[in-house]
Amino acid sequence: QKEVEQDPGPLSVPEGAIVSLNCTYSNSAFQYFMWYRQYSRKGPELLMYTYSSGNKEDGRFTAQVDKSSKYISLFIRDSQPSDSATYLCAMSVGANNLFFGTGTRLTVIP
Amino acid sequence: GAVVSQHPSRVICKSGTSVKIECRSLDFQATTMFWYRQFPKKSLMLMATSNEGSKATYEQGVEKDKFLINHASLTLSTLTVTSAHPEDSSFYICSASESADTQYFGPGTRLTVL
Repeated sequence: QKEVEQDPGPLSVPEGAIVSLNCTYSNSAFQYFMWYRQYSRKGPELLMYTYSSGNKEDGRFTAQVDKSSKYISLFIRDSQPSDSATYLCAMSVGANNLFFGTGTRLTVIP
Repeated sequence: GAVVSQHPSRVICKSGTSVKIECRSLDFQATTMFWYRQFPKKSLMLMATSNEGSKATYEQGVEKDKFLINHASLTLSTLTVTSAHPEDSSFYICSASESADTQYFGPGTRLTVL
């Protein structure tokens, strides 16, 4: 079983839709949870960072961590065509040794 | 802030040659730098972790004699792919960390070995 599971998609939504991206994991020791956005042929860009359980909101983005279910989510409200990218979840025990999901490719259709 | 650059962004080389990729933290001092490779539609795979002034720690299955990593300063790490072969063609991404919190990624280098 992989440490981190993420549905690769692809996921297509109309502009303005709410997008829900999810990852599950098996290692209960993970403490740090991150979401990265990666545009084609570019390096990943840190979007959201959460330590332990709970919600975190930043503009149109909300990250949720449910450690009891070993499940994390990223919600994008009022999605825009510029949100079209691959979204990678990542998590770690200590803050540096990251385990990545495979990424979900999102397309927001104008 | 927290900008990481990589150079070159793209390189094409002949089989058997060596290629050096640079990773720089532009506005912070990176105590730790990481090197990843990413195959199409696959996740990032950590190759090695390096701390300034010490030898890199390689992940299992990564040949340290083939992928030479030097972290000579707090703002620069280099990855040299020695005697490159077509199977080394990939997208190489570095990241840098100044504290224990987060990693900031470079834009990546696409290596094509003919």
